[in-house]
Amino acid sequence: AQSVTQPDIHITVSEGASLELRCNYSYGATPYLFWYVQSPGQGLQLLLKYFSGDTLVQGIKGFEAEFKRSQSSFNLRKPSVHWSDAAEYFCAVGNFGNEKLTFGTGTRLTIIP
Amino acid sequence: KAGVTQTPRYLIKTRGQQVTLSCSPISGHRSVSWYQQTPGQGLQFLFEYFSETQRNKGNFPGRFSGRQFSNSRSEMNVSTLELGDSALYLCASSKLGDTEAFFGQGTRLTVV
Repeated sequence: AQSVTQPDIHITVSEGASLELRCNYSYGATPYLFWYVQSPGQGLQLLLKYFSGDTLVQGIKGFEAEFKRSQSSFNLRKPSVHWSDAAEYFCAVGNFGNEKLTFGTGTRLTIIP
Repeated sequence: KAGVTQTPRYLIKTRGQQVTLSCSPISGHRSVSWYQQTPGQGLQFLFEYFSETQRNKGNFPGRFSGRQFSNSRSEMNVSTLELGDSALYLCASSKLGDTEAFFGQGTRLTVV
């Protein structure tokens, strides 16, 4: 069965600092990987996705993620965070032809001035 | 184009009642999935519909059901509500085979 682990429940970073959110997955085949962001009381917004090809993917809002098969990881990065990035971030795994997504438990990001 | 629309945004129900939530997908999207989000269990997959047929189902009791109409709009129903059903229910739509899901803002259900 597929699973996703986000080891960091809560991360606090200073505005302007770099950010890396960790995600590890367990999946038998080549996974489809996603990062979503959720503001309080809102739905999920897709930041970026990896299906195949270049292992470094660019997303919206200046985010990027790198797929590392050998480490079963898909970490999210941003070189310089903004106060508006404060939210909860979810990593998810899916597979082609199956719309079911399996989500990690999320990482809550707090930005301090 | 319009995003995924979920109605209502907020609901308060009493234990034992039933509730129906609605989801209108993005135009052209024929797959609709439902997720339950709670602080304790996180985001859990309920079920997915395509062409009015349930294609996938998560590990939820039979009190949770859904359907999809010919215009791809979907409803989910929860019968005999329990306190533990209090959650944010999220609907997502996608083109078949795309796997890129677009989420609505959710329906916040509170069972008292």
